[in-house]
Amino acid sequence: DIQMTQSPSSLSASLGDRVTITCRPSQTFKFYLNWYQQQPGKAPKLLIYATSNLQSGVPSRFSGSASGTDFTLTISSLQPEDFATYYCQQSYSALTGMYTFGQGTKLELK
Amino acid sequence: QVQLQESGPGLVKPSQTLSLTCSVSGDSISTGSYYWNWIRQPAGKGLEWIGRFYSGGATNYNPSLKSRVTISIDTSKNQFSLELTSVTAADTAVYFCASAMIVTGHFDYWGQGTRVAVSS
Repeated sequence: DIQMTQSPSSLSASLGDRVTITCRPSQTFKFYLNWYQQQPGKAPKLLIYATSNLQSGVPSRFSGSASGTDFTLTISSLQPEDFATYYCQQSYSALTGMYTFGQGTKLELK
Repeated sequence: QVQLQESGPGLVKPSQTLSLTCSVSGDSISTGSYYWNWIRQPAGKGLEWIGRFYSGGATNYNPSLKSRVTISIDTSKNQFSLELTSVTAADTAVYFCASAMIVTGHFDYWGQGTRVAVSS
């Protein structure tokens, strides 16, 4: 199974900051990486799919990219509603019927 | 727009079977547009994929739960269900149903989640 290592596990930042969250898979793949935001007590919300595609309705301050083996979620200028927990999810092994999530990054207001 | 809604008991006794249902509106689960999934989240922890059903009849399960999980579908009610047998306190979690796109595998629609506690 592909394991996803997400870093950092927690992050303190201020309004307007640019933040980056990284996800590294245990085996290399391209494209099949998705990002979610979860507010307390709510279901996760899809932000980015297939590495860099912005889900409809998601603000353009969110972006996704890949470099080498790593995948990155960037928030360009933090807004109050962005303080939440973020998860990456691999769907590369979906063909064989397995999805895995990163352990999450909790983004808190400094 | 697809909407999903979980339902089922909020309390299950240890060693018994957890049974949940996900009602789908806005799309037919038999059209083959999505995989239909169950995902869970223990309190304060991360997300764990449990398994999925495809309307063509295929199911896939997380190997860590495979021996205890069954996902089935009722096309007449546009619902899919989860059964998890021999539950323990470690199965206490919020359970979500979600649809996953076939090609890219992202979960685009989610239910609100239902909390299930395993306790005597």
